[in-house]
Amino acid sequence: EVQLVESGGGLVHPGGSLRLSCATSGFTFSTFWMYWVRQIPGKGPVWVSAINTDGSDTTYADSVKGRFTISRDNAKNTLSLQMNSLRAEDTAVYYCARGDFSVHDYWGQGTLVTVSS
Amino acid sequence: DIQMTQSPSSLSASVGDRVTITCRASQGISTYLNWYQQKPGRAPKLLIYAASSLHNGVPSRFSGSGSGTDFTLTITSLQPEDFATYYCQESYGTPPTYTFGQGTNLDIK
Repeated sequence: EVQLVESGGGLVHPGGSLRLSCATSGFTFSTFWMYWVRQIPGKGPVWVSAINTDGSDTTYADSVKGRFTISRDNAKNTLSLQMNSLRAEDTAVYYCARGDFSVHDYWGQGTLVTVSS
Repeated sequence: DIQMTQSPSSLSASVGDRVTITCRASQGISTYLNWYQQKPGRAPKLLIYAASSLHNGVPSRFSGSGSGTDFTLTITSLQPEDFATYYCQESYGTPPTYTFGQGTNLDIK
């Protein structure tokens, strides 16, 4: 069974940093693209970042470029998102998702990030 | 940037009804179009990918069609578990920006 479990969310002050993790199991992690997608409650999902199978290719939404860094550890089947210079508008539920280049086929349950003073 | 517009934004229907949700892209995206279902407090779930391919385990009452700029998600014979919010998503371009539509909330009439 494919499983993705996010952790690391919480309350952080504006300008602060947070690192999200996504532990995976039930599939060969190193053969799938991985993604972070966020969602403000009551709004639609918004793609944040993508990483290819070996980590050599990463892409970011313009809204987080230069502040967030996606990475993966294929030996530990883990995806990460380092979030720096956080802003109030980064407040959302963050999901990790598995996929190929064009679709997110399985998602974790999400972790809530709240940026507030 | 590609914009995705869904209609209607909300829809009321009854168990057993046939419903259709549409999604329009601001530019041609071939068949790089996915549909997701989301229930309150849960993560989105993939239903349809590449405009018309059914994801593993998704009931056959769900179907998708379209190409270019206009797409539809059809649910035949609505079941109680189908009442949820539905999102379309584009994955066109190199690299894609994976833009989602604003969602269609399907509730019980």
